[in-house]
Amino acid sequence: EAQVTQNPRYLITVTGKKLTVTCSQNMNHEYMSWYRQDPGLGLRQIYYSMNVEVTDKGDVPEGYKVSRKEKRNFPLILESPSPNQTSLYFCASKNTGRVTEAFFGQGTRLTVV
Amino acid sequence: AQSVSQHNHHVILSEAASLELGCNYSYGGTVNLFWYVQYPGQHLQLLLKYFSGDPLVKGIKGFEAEFIKSKFSFNLRKPSVQWSDTAEYFCAVNRRMDSSYKLIFGSGTRLLVRP
Repeated sequence: EAQVTQNPRYLITVTGKKLTVTCSQNMNHEYMSWYRQDPGLGLRQIYYSMNVEVTDKGDVPEGYKVSRKEKRNFPLILESPSPNQTSLYFCASKNTGRVTEAFFGQGTRLTVV
Repeated sequence: AQSVSQHNHHVILSEAASLELGCNYSYGGTVNLFWYVQYPGQHLQLLLKYFSGDPLVKGIKGFEAEFIKSKFSFNLRKPSVQWSDTAEYFCAVNRRMDSSYKLIFGSGTRLLVRP
């Protein structure tokens, strides 16, 4: 089954403790991205990657890092999480090309206390 | 500022009522348009999409949307809602010229359908 898989689904952590949210897709998509969803703001893009070793900032990259060492994986790294990073995070993937749709993972609900 | 606007933040309907959710965007140039649905506790699922051609597009679960270029709108409709349509609905736009392929989302509309 074609899917985007995120782990963990739920995470509660403390301020400053480094964490990684994993994202994996099995559709051989070149493009992957991370969004955060906050009430009343919809989804905002954090980082994206056009292909292996090619990443770039989205609209809200502060406090986040990403890497793309393999085509299927695109982990999101919070080196020193803060409470304002409490949010619902979604990973998405798609083929490159201007008329293709994105597929989303199931989301990771992160709480930083 | 360029944006995607969803006018209704919360909508409450009874089963069998008709639904129309508004979506307007402010970007010039060619755009791709999407409606996503998020059922409680689940991920975003694509309801329908518009890339080109017939401006009236049909999606899954009886939903449809009409692209009106002159109004920069892409409203979502369903003639008769069901209790199972209770969810949050997001309109999203992708500008063809944007090399980041970024989706710009509206703030979402929470739909509650009462049995």
